[in-house]
Amino acid sequence: AQSVTQPDIHITVSEGASLELRCNYSYGATPYLFWYVQSPGQGLQLLLKYFSGDTLVQGIKGFEAEFKRSQSSFNLRKPSVHWSDAAEYFCAVVARSGYALNFGKGTSLLVTP
Amino acid sequence: SQTIHQWPATLVQPVGSPLSLECTVEGTSNPNLYWYRQAAGRGLQLLFYSVGIGQISSEVPQNLSASRPQDRQFILSSKKLLLSDSGFYLCAWSGLAGADNSPLHFGNGTRLTVT
Repeated sequence: AQSVTQPDIHITVSEGASLELRCNYSYGATPYLFWYVQSPGQGLQLLLKYFSGDTLVQGIKGFEAEFKRSQSSFNLRKPSVHWSDAAEYFCAVVARSGYALNFGKGTSLLVTP
Repeated sequence: SQTIHQWPATLVQPVGSPLSLECTVEGTSNPNLYWYRQAAGRGLQLLFYSVGIGQISSEVPQNLSASRPQDRQFILSSKKLLLSDSGFYLCAWSGLAGADNSPLHFGNGTRLTVT
């Protein structure tokens, strides 16, 4: 069955520290991959997406993600976290022939001073 | 530019009452439209999607329904709300080709509390 997994429900990092949020997927073929961010009480904002080509993709707000086919992963990274990055992060996947995104359960990021 | 409007922002309804949430998109034609529900700790669950007027696909059987009376209008309804319908409802749109090569753009959501 197709699935997307975010193993970490909560992550706490210090401001200025690096960040990596994990995302693994299980699909028959390489799907399209996305990361979204959600601030409290708000909708979701697209951070970045991977369709094909360079496996390291750059997004907004200084985020990047690396697609690793061998590991079926699409981890989100940021070299230095800011307090404003505290939010919920969702990995999302859609089959190349599909319509609707399949979302992970999200990772809640807390940033400490 | 394209914008998506969703209302109301918050709603408190008693069990058994009807529901109508509305979503409209501006600045694009023939979008794909989606309703998602977000419950605490459970991520986003796709409820309905629509690729055109009057075309609705349901992903999860439940007491909710959706309609698309106009190209850029998507409505989520219920005749009788259940306590389990409480949650955060998100409307989204994507380009004509579908979510596979067009990301989703989300509204700001409706917080529904059923009492």
